[in-house]
Amino acid sequence: RKEVEQDPGPFNVPEGATVAFNCTYSNSASQSFFWYRQDCRKEPKLLMSVYSSGNEDGRFTAQLNRASQYISLLIRDSKLSDSATYLCVVNQAGTALIFGKGTTLSVSS
Amino acid sequence: ETGVTQSPTHLIKTRGQQVTLRCSSQSGHNTVSWYQQALGQGPQFIFQYYREEENGRGNFPPRFSGLQFPNYSSELNVNALELDDSALYLCASSLLADSYNEQFFGPGTRLTVL
Repeated sequence: RKEVEQDPGPFNVPEGATVAFNCTYSNSASQSFFWYRQDCRKEPKLLMSVYSSGNEDGRFTAQLNRASQYISLLIRDSKLSDSATYLCVVNQAGTALIFGKGTTLSVSS
Repeated sequence: ETGVTQSPTHLIKTRGQQVTLRCSSQSGHNTVSWYQQALGQGPQFIFQYYREEENGRGNFPPRFSGLQFPNYSSELNVNALELDDSALYLCASSLLADSYNEQFFGPGTRLTVL
């Protein structure tokens, strides 16, 4: 079983749609959790950290369920500029970030 | 921008050659991690350096080695290059004292092995 699993997509949605990405992780000792965004042929950029209480940043909401080892990202009112690959990331021991393969989102007008 | 820089941007090598990639960390960060991202995959952890010492290593063979300098910049060296080493090599800087370990990535070096 992969350490971090994501639905690879692609997700093709119209502008204004709400889209949800899910991710599961296998190591219950994981300590911190993130969503990164990666544009084509660019480096990953931190989108948001994910906290147990859930957190929101504008149109983006992240949730963590430690009992189920499940992380989610909700994007409301999708924009064309949201088109990218979204990487679910888990940190276990303060060193390595463990990445999922990424979920590709394409927002069309 | 994150303030993390990498050089060179692109590199083409042939099988069996050796390569050195460089990374300058963000100001105030004392930790550099290196990742390999093959096409269509998420980044995979190679190793991490903290205050000039290796502080963790992923599942990569010994021909992948590294260094960190007193100014916290870092090098990744790969010997005896193989075709499968073709990938985007990313370095990420962080402040290890930050237990949440947010890491900030440089633009990467795209290595092609022919």
